[in-house]
Amino acid sequence: DAGVIQSPRHEVTEMGQEVTLRCKPISGHNSLFWYRQTMMRGLELLIYFNNNVPIDDSGMPEDRFSAKMPNASFSTLKIQPSEPRDSAVYFCASSLAGGGNQPQHFGDGTRLSIL
Amino acid sequence: RKEVEQDPGPFNVPEGATVAFNCTYSNSASQSFFWYRQDCRKEPKLLMSVYSSGNEDGRFTAQLNRASQYISLLIRDSKLSDSATYLCVGNMEYGNKLVFGAGTILRVKS
Repeated sequence: DAGVIQSPRHEVTEMGQEVTLRCKPISGHNSLFWYRQTMMRGLELLIYFNNNVPIDDSGMPEDRFSAKMPNASFSTLKIQPSEPRDSAVYFCASSLAGGGNQPQHFGDGTRLSIL
Repeated sequence: RKEVEQDPGPFNVPEGATVAFNCTYSNSASQSFFWYRQDCRKEPKLLMSVYSSGNEDGRFTAQLNRASQYISLLIRDSKLSDSATYLCVGNMEYGNKLVFGAGTILRVKS
């Protein structure tokens, strides 16, 4: 079975550039989550969607970050303009909706480095 | 107080040892709990769900104590391959949001 698919696996770019991260959730899962992980702050939830609708974006750091889910099989996380402090591993996860009773399944992550 | 708290460790144990991790949570309304495992430079992977009655999966046993608001993970007969970071996870009382602890590092040595 295909798991959560993220692309790219690695991204290195200069500050000020736009960065777009992509995620394909597990087929049939209707909740999608974007996380950021750093050594200092651990795993942080940025935003999550239920049935393609953003439910909670309180974790999005600032206006430079935006996320969309145009359909059930695709989501993007965009950073514009990027800054060195955005360097982190970004994970996408999906789950069945179930009021928090369902575990989340993670993609391999995108390792982002902003120079 | 953090919503989910864990001892960061590291726990350094010899092969074959039994090791236990505890995790406390602050939201008494939380209903669902999980243990995830994360290897270095990899994604978190579900290890097991935690049920009120406790559950066992091979060498791994998870327990939930609602009165004291903590969950535990017991690993018996530790293997070198058990070396990883173990993340304690609980749900919020609404929605599908899960809260992840900072993780406990386990190092099993020969």
